[in-house]
Amino acid sequence: EAGVAQSPRYKIIEKRQSVAFWCNPISGHATLYWYQQILGQGPKLLIQFQNNGVVDDSQLPKDRFSAERLKGVDSTLKIQPAKLEDSAVYLCASSHYTLGDSITDTQYFGPGTRLTVL
Amino acid sequence: GQQVMQIPQYQHVQEGEDFTTYCNSSTTLSNIQWYKQRPGGHPVFLIQLVKSGEVKKQKRLTFQFGEAKKNSSLHITATQTTDVGTYFCAGLMRLIFGTGTRLQVFP
Repeated sequence: EAGVAQSPRYKIIEKRQSVAFWCNPISGHATLYWYQQILGQGPKLLIQFQNNGVVDDSQLPKDRFSAERLKGVDSTLKIQPAKLEDSAVYLCASSHYTLGDSITDTQYFGPGTRLTVL
Repeated sequence: GQQVMQIPQYQHVQEGEDFTTYCNSSTTLSNIQWYKQRPGGHPVFLIQLVKSGEVKKQKRLTFQFGEAKKNSSLHITATQTTDVGTYFCAGLMRLIFGTGTRLQVFP
């Protein structure tokens, strides 16, 4: 089966500019995740969707970050305006299902988008 | 808030030596997942542990979930150069990745 697709793979912008990332999960996967991975650190969950509803966005900096998954398939993550500390790899992952807080199916990660903010 | 820490942060081993990384959570976890990330790559799922005290094996890899469901370990027997990468645990309740252990294997 096709994996998780992300675009673009690389993006360089100046601070205060806007940027958007796109993710296409594995077909049939209900749950979609966006992570931020700063160099040398583990992935940090930004937002988790179950179909087109938000399950967890507690660590999403909502003053500048937004995400949507309108039709329960593709998703976009936007940063507006970007700051220097937003430089990171943004990973999208999907899984078949999540049952509340207890069980999460295997997550399949996309290749990520490497964002550099100058 | 909930934290998931891993030790050691880095480990350099000679090929053939064993390797262990430990994952510790500040809160009880419903289950725990382990991932491997090769340099420049993305995390790849290895295994999920659900039951208290559970032990699972995948060839040379042995995973264990603590009795209190607050810690876990990954042990690699006789490391190979293909084992190079960063190993992350990820704990649920809210999905939180550990700090990772970077493994370097010298031939």
